[in-house]
Amino acid sequence: ELKVEQNPLFLSMQEGKNYTIYCNYSTTSDRLYWYRQDPGKSLESLFVLLSNGAVKQEGRLMASLDTKARLSTLHITAAVHDLSATYFCADGGSQGNLIFGKGTKLSVKP
Amino acid sequence: DAGVIQSPRHEVTEMGQEVTLRCKPISGHDYLFWYRQTMMRGLELLIYFNNNVPIDDSGMPEDRFSAKMPNASFSTLKIQPSEPRDSAVYFCASSLAGSVHFGDGTRLSIL
Repeated sequence: ELKVEQNPLFLSMQEGKNYTIYCNYSTTSDRLYWYRQDPGKSLESLFVLLSNGAVKQEGRLMASLDTKARLSTLHITAAVHDLSATYFCADGGSQGNLIFGKGTKLSVKP
Repeated sequence: DAGVIQSPRHEVTEMGQEVTLRCKPISGHDYLFWYRQTMMRGLELLIYFNNNVPIDDSGMPEDRFSAKMPNASFSTLKIQPSEPRDSAVYFCASSLAGSVHFGDGTRLSIL
C-alpha cells in the first residue's frame, strides 16, 4: 500500500522557536510536494521538490528531499503566528496525482 | 490569471438526491483531478483525467460516484443517490508539468 506518513500530526510552538516536520513516503517517486491549508480554505502550494538533495526556501520555511531515505523535511525557523496552519506533504509523479499525508496542524503561540 | 474554479462553493441537500459538482481547470493544463477531504480519511484522490480522458478512477468510492470531462475546460463529479457519508469537501485540481493547483473546493453536506 502506498503511504505518506507525517509527524508530528499536531505541533504547538512558541513564537521565535525552530522546529521540523517530517514526511516519509513509500513510493519510488522522486517528486515531493508541500502544501499549506488554512481553516476552511484551499491548498496553497509551498514547494515542489524534484530530485534527491533538493532544498528550497521561502521565508521562514525550508524544505528538503532525500529520495534514498524517502524522507522530506519542512523546517520552520523563528516561527511567527502567521505560520499557524495545517501543512501537508504529498508524494506524486510528474502528472500531479498526489498521495497526501494526514497533515501537521501547526499552532504558533506568542 | 484565473485559477481553478469550482461551483457551487457550498451544497446542502437531502439524502437520496443527485448532486453535481462542477470544475473549470486552468486554461492550458492537461491534467484534472478530483479529491475529497474528510476528517477521518484526509485528502483522497478520486479520479483524474489527462486531456479529457479518464486515466485512473480507482479512488472513486462506489458506483454512485461518476465523473466526466466533456472538454478541456469543464468537468463534473456526480453523486447519485447521495448519502450522509458523502459529506466532505471536494476539491478539483489541475496541473501542467507537475505543477498542481487546487480550486477553493465545494463543501458538501448531505442531511
